[in-house]
Amino acid sequence: AQSVTQPDIHITVSEGASLELRCNYSYGATPYLFWYVQSPGQGLQLLLKYFSGDTLVQGIKGFEAEFKRSQSSFNLRKPSVHWSDAAEYFCAVSNTGGFKTIFGAGTRLFVKA
Amino acid sequence: DAGVIQSPRHEVTEMGQEVTLRCKPISGHDYLFWYRQTMMRGLELLIYFNNNVPIDDSGMPEDRFSAKMPNASFSTLKIQPSEPRDSAVYFCASSGNSGSRLKTSYNEQFFGPGTRLTVL
Repeated sequence: AQSVTQPDIHITVSEGASLELRCNYSYGATPYLFWYVQSPGQGLQLLLKYFSGDTLVQGIKGFEAEFKRSQSSFNLRKPSVHWSDAAEYFCAVSNTGGFKTIFGAGTRLFVKA
Repeated sequence: DAGVIQSPRHEVTEMGQEVTLRCKPISGHDYLFWYRQTMMRGLELLIYFNNNVPIDDSGMPEDRFSAKMPNASFSTLKIQPSEPRDSAVYFCASSGNSGSRLKTSYNEQFFGPGTRLTVL
């Protein structure tokens, strides 16, 4: 069965510091992988997605993620965090044949001045 | 496009009352999803439709929940009777691009702002 694990419930980083949010997935074939961001009181917004090809994917707001098949991971990174990045981040996996998307539990990011 | 539209944004009701949540997907999208988000259980897929037909409702908690999609531009999620444990934020999302051959447009879901439901 498909599953997504985000091992960190919350993370605190200083503004300007680098960020890495971890995501591990379980899936029998090549998955479609996503990172979404949710700001307080709002719906989820897609940051980036991986379908195939280059394993380093660039997204919006300066985020990137790297697909590592050998580690079943799809970690999200940003070189320099801004206070406006404080939000909850969800990793998600979807099968190639359908549209049922499984979301991780989310990682809440706090940014300190 | 205005994006996915949900109404109401907030709903407060008493236990036992009927609640109806509404969703208008992005025009041209042929998939529609209903999710529920709580602190305890995270984001759960309740049901999704393709071309107005329910495809998978295995996430619907119980018979008190029902969802319909009478046409491509409107869907409802109904809870009857409502219970305090139904309190959550309910999201609608849409996906796909009818007539498009760009497969990369598939699977990305566009979420509405959600309806915060409180059942007293």
